Amino acid sequence: KNEVEQSPQNLTAQEGEFITINCSYSVGISALHWLQQHPGGGIVSLFMLSSGKKKHGRLIATINIQEKHSSLHITASHPRDSAVYICAAKPRGGNKLVFGAGTILRVKS
Amino acid sequence: DTAVSQTPKYLVTQMGNDKSIKCEQNLGHDTMYWYKQDSKKFLKIMFSYNNKELIINETVPNRFSPKSPDKAHLNLHINSLELGDSAVYFCASSTTGAGVGTGELFFGEGSRLTVL
Repeated sequence: KNEVEQSPQNLTAQEGEFITINCSYSVGISALHWLQQHPGGGIVSLFMLSSGKKKHGRLIATINIQEKHSSLHITASHPRDSAVYICAAKPRGGNKLVFGAGTILRVKS
Repeated sequence: DTAVSQTPKYLVTQMGNDKSIKCEQNLGHDTMYWYKQDSKKFLKIMFSYNNKELIINETVPNRFSPKSPDKAHLNLHINSLELGDSAVYFCASSTTGAGVGTGELFFGEGSRLTVL
């Protein structure tokens, strides 16, 4: 069992829908990252957070340290949001990230 | 003005050959990384350097050797390439986060290596 689990593995949504991707981890962490990878493309860092909530445009990331859980929300989804979303946790005291397997999101118009 | 650039983007080569992938960052970061992404899109850390010092050296074959001539460059050299080395290799950099690495990560575009 991976220390970082994401759900769902695959997600298909209609344009305009509100989307939630979940990430659970089993160790104490100092930070959690959300990354985005478009098909055939590079990887972009969306958020790095250690508590509370961050917002950037239509994207919102939240984290609950006690429950060892983070969510990535996309409001008013658009086909250009179609990508793989990856969460990665930095264990407390460690210096490397543990990656989830990614969530493949497809937004249909 | 690319922040993290890696070359080449595509590399097709025969088994047994030796190849290098170069990475440069102009962000002034002091930590750089090499990640391998397999066919299932799973990312795994291979190496990390902080101020030219190796800080992460995962269990990878010693055919893989990183070299950091200065803190803006981290190159990856692979000897005696094997079929299983086919993957996308991503370079990344970050500021020093809590502990050494990783603050927010900035990735290169990836280098797709195909070994025939």
